[in-house]
Amino acid sequence: QKEVEQDPGPLSVPEGAIVSLNCTYSNSAFQYFMWYRQYSRKGPELLMYTYSSGNKEDGRFTAQVDKSSKYISLFIRDSQPSDSATYLCAMSAGDSNYQLIWGAGTKLIIKP
Amino acid sequence: SAVISQKPSRDICQRGTSLTIQCQVDSQVTMMFWYRQQPGQSLTLIATANQGSEATYESGFVIDKFPISRPNLTFSTLTVSNMSPEDSSIYLCSVRQGNTEAFFGQGTRLTVV
Repeated sequence: QKEVEQDPGPLSVPEGAIVSLNCTYSNSAFQYFMWYRQYSRKGPELLMYTYSSGNKEDGRFTAQVDKSSKYISLFIRDSQPSDSATYLCAMSAGDSNYQLIWGAGTKLIIKP
Repeated sequence: SAVISQKPSRDICQRGTSLTIQCQVDSQVTMMFWYRQQPGQSLTLIATANQGSEATYESGFVIDKFPISRPNLTFSTLTVSNMSPEDSSIYLCSVRQGNTEAFFGQGTRLTVV
């Protein structure tokens, strides 16, 4: 079993829909949770990061962490064609081992 | 935040040759990371490069194949040596600031023929 599981998709939704992207993990030591967006032929860019449990909102994006269920989500409201990209989750224990553990990435397609 | 310039952005190389990828950061950083991303797959950490010390390689990656230099706090190189078609991939450099964020270069798309 991988430490971080993420459905690779693709996930195709109509423009304006609410998108829900998810990751599950097995290591209860993870405390820092990140979402990245990666456009084709580009490096990942950091979208959201959260520490421990709870929600964080930034514009149309909301990151949610449920440590009791070992489950994190990224919600995109009013989705736009420009949101079409691969979304990767990553997490770390935030201790002296700085390595990020990555999900496989979900390819998202927003249809106009 | 940090701005990372990575080059080349892409290259097509003959098997048996070597390619050196450069990564320049616009600020001083302690740790730099080199990743590989194969098509449709997630990121795999190759090694962590600290200035003034040997790079730390992850399981499955060795210094002879992926030598890394880190001459100062803003620059690093990764060499892919004696390339084979299996080395065809996207190579990315990354930096972290604090223990929660990472910023990436635009990637080097390598094709070995």
